[in-house]
Order: sequence, then C-alpha cells, then structure tokens
Amino acid sequence: KAGVTQTPRYLIKTRGQQVTLSCSPISGHRSVSWYQQTPGQGLQFLFEYFSETQRNKGNFPGRFSGRQFSNSRSEMNVSTLELGDSALYLCASSNLVTGGGTDTQYFGPGTRLTVL
Amino acid sequence: KQEVTQIPAALSVPEGENLVLNCSFTDSAIYNLQWFRQDPGKGLTSLLLIQSSQREQTSGRLNASLDKSSGRSTLYIAASQPGDSATYLCAVKALYNQGGKLIFGQGTELSVKP
Repeated sequence: KAGVTQTPRYLIKTRGQQVTLSCSPISGHRSVSWYQQTPGQGLQFLFEYFSETQRNKGNFPGRFSGRQFSNSRSEMNVSTLELGDSALYLCASSNLVTGGGTDTQYFGPGTRLTVL
Repeated sequence: KQEVTQIPAALSVPEGENLVLNCSFTDSAIYNLQWFRQDPGKGLTSLLLIQSSQREQTSGRLNASLDKSSGRSTLYIAASQPGDSATYLCAVKALYNQGGKLIFGQGTELSVKP
C-alpha cells in the first residue's frame, strides 16, 4: 500500500502571500490530520477531517483552514503568510472510525514552508 | 490541559547499550499513547501504540510500557545501533477525543555512537 503523500515537498513564499498544501492519505483511510512542527513549539495539532467534515480543531488563527474531498484527499490553506508560519507541515491519516478501534496514525514526509 | 513532557531532551550512548526514553503526561484520561521516530527533516514513523487498557507493547528490540495512573510511559531500546539515531516522540490521545488529535512531547534526540 502506498503511504501518505504530501505535495509540494518544499515551498518558499513571501509575507502576505497565501499557500495551499495537499495531502493524500493511505488508501481506505478516511481521517486526515494536519500538524505544524517548529523548533520552538514542536508538533502542534492544526485540524482533523473525517468524511469531508472538520472533526477537531487546534488553537490556530483563522488564517489556517482546510478541507477534505470525497476521495479523502485533504488540502490546507494559509492566507496572509507571516514569518512565523515557516515550519514543517505534516499530515497524518488513520483508519479511525467513530467509537474507537486501534488508530495508529501514519504520517507523510511533510511540506517544508519557508516564508521570507 | 494535557501536557506531555519528554526527558531527556538529548541522549548520546555507545553502540550496544540498552536505553530508556521517558514520557510523562499530566492528564491520565488518555485513550492511547503512541511512540514515533523522526529522522532529520522527515516525517514521523509510528513505532508502537499502547491502548489505555494495556501495560506494554513490544516490537523487535523496542518495548514500550504505560502506567496511566502515574502518567508515565517508557520506551526501552535494547542493544542500540547507530541506525537508531533519530528523534523519538511520544504522543497521547485524550479519552474524550473521538478524532485523531494527538498531543506531542518535545522529543528526545538520540545519538548512538559506533
């Protein structure tokens, strides 16, 4: 089975621009979560989508948004980029269904975003 | 608010040594705890997942234990190898969380010297 894929792998943007990152989960996985990783804050949860609905949301400003498509692929968008948005953005997919079950999360390689 | 702490932040050991990485969490109401490995500039690789009802999980040279009442987990690595060098992260999922949100520790950076 193919793993979680993320595109693009690297991005360089300038302040004020917007950016869209893409994540394709493992086939059959319906849950996709997004995380931001920085040296200072570590890994922080952004949001999670399940069956095209946002199920969880972290403490990030409204500039960060996401969506999920019917094929479970997900995108996240950051508008009005700030220098502090420079980070590794990771997405993870799982076979989690409501009510539990084992829900190992599988991470993609990440998108490295640099804001100049 | 759940907080996850990993000590030490960095660890350097000679090849062949057995070692223990520590993870503590402040709220014992967890659904599960997962250990990951991250190589520099890469994504995370899941190593072990322990459900809240379990005490330990084993995979090869790795053994993870969970003591929910004391808010602690340990990852034991036997006979360490240079290829084990990476950052190890633990993450917890809250009991009341129906989704996939994980709360991560800051990680332990492990270096195994040949």
